[in-house]
Amino acid sequence: AQKVTQAQTEISVVEKEDVTLDCVYETRDTTYYLFWYKQPPSGELVFLIRRNSFDEQNEISGRYSWNFQKSTSSFNFTITASQVVDSAVYFCALRVMYSGGGADGLTFGKGTHLIIQP
Amino acid sequence: EAQVTQNPRYLITVTGKKLTVTCSQNMNHEYMSWYRQDPGLGLRQIYYSMNVEVTDKGDVPEGYKVSRKEKRNFPLILESPSPNQTSLYFCASSSPGDRGLLGQETQYFGPGTRLLVL
Repeated sequence: AQKVTQAQTEISVVEKEDVTLDCVYETRDTTYYLFWYKQPPSGELVFLIRRNSFDEQNEISGRYSWNFQKSTSSFNFTITASQVVDSAVYFCALRVMYSGGGADGLTFGKGTHLIIQP
Repeated sequence: EAQVTQNPRYLITVTGKKLTVTCSQNMNHEYMSWYRQDPGLGLRQIYYSMNVEVTDKGDVPEGYKVSRKEKRNFPLILESPSPNQTSLYFCASSSPGDRGLLGQETQYFGPGTRLLVL
């Protein structure tokens, strides 16, 4: 069985601070995808990134960056120079891919509520 | 416009009154899933479908049914709703793909359905 742990239930920082959201996952499968989603107060789920288990290259997109480390089973998300609009609940998720071409559903962490104070 | 639609968006019902939440996607995706989101528990998968006529249980399938007679539709059925099924429900669809790139949207979620069972 798969498991995703987001140990930080809530984080509150002041605008312009950098903040890192932790994600630790567990799976016995070797082929999987990792995701981050953002859920703003309006409630919809916004896809942010997908990473393949065979690609540990870190990604940067503007103020967002992701650090994928298989050795520690972590896929952490960093926001630099945070802004009030970054306030949301962020979910990390895992999806196992099967050798026959099928896939499991997404296993989500419980989410981290990020509060950016002006 | 590529999207996942859910209906209704909001529903108040009473215990035992059968209901169906519809989900439809226009992207010809093979995979579709249902999740429920509850405070402190994050998102949990109810059922998923890898293709037409192929469905499987997720983590919390009790009290729910699904069907996948057409590729685009994946309705969630509550035969006899109970108050513990009060939740926010999300439908999602996706297609197996190769390595994902930042900015390439590979997972689509519906807008959510808020259900209250009295």
